[in-house]
Amino acid sequence: KAGVTQTPRYLIKTRGQQVTLSCSPISGHRSVSWYQQTPGQGLQFLFEYFSETQRNKGNFPGRFSGRQFSNSRSEMNVSTLELGDSALYLCASSLDDTRRGFFGQGTRLTVV
Amino acid sequence: GQQLNQSPQSMFIQEGEDVSMNCTSSSIFNTWLWYKQDPGEGPVLLIALYKAGELTSNGRLTAQFGITRKDSFLNISASIPSDVGIYFCAGQLQGGGSNYKLTFGKGTLLTVNP
Repeated sequence: KAGVTQTPRYLIKTRGQQVTLSCSPISGHRSVSWYQQTPGQGLQFLFEYFSETQRNKGNFPGRFSGRQFSNSRSEMNVSTLELGDSALYLCASSLDDTRRGFFGQGTRLTVV
Repeated sequence: GQQLNQSPQSMFIQEGEDVSMNCTSSSIFNTWLWYKQDPGEGPVLLIALYKAGELTSNGRLTAQFGITRKDSFLNISASIPSDVGIYFCAGQLQGGGSNYKLTFGKGTLLTVNP
């Protein structure tokens, strides 16, 4: 069974640009969660989607948004990028519960 | 937001030694999870705990869900070089939207000297 796939693995963007990251969950998994990982703040929850509905959202500005498609694939978008948005963005998928999530390898975003 | 206090921040040990790390919270959690992350990879779930007082093992790893539901411990016995990595605790609060997010500790960096 294929694991969680995140694309791209690495990304370099300029301040002010926007970016879209993609996450393909394990087949059959309907819950997708997104996390931001930085050396200073650690792993911070962004949002979680289940059956195309956002069930919970973390404390991030509105520049961070996400969505989930009918095939459970999810995207997150960050608009008007700031230097502080440089981080490893991780998604985790599970059947229905974040407690049993499996993480992808992440997308390393660098904002210059 | 909710924070988990994980300690120690880092450990440098000799191969064969046992290791202990823990997480504490000011809030009650209904689930405690322990992950390991290798460089350039996503976290991998090691052990999941769902009941207060629960003690669960996975090979040389043993974790416990504290009776107060505000803490958890992870022990690694007879460490080997491949145990090197960052270990994270994570908890899930109960109720409403909290059911659908994990709160992570800052991690324990483990270095094993062969």
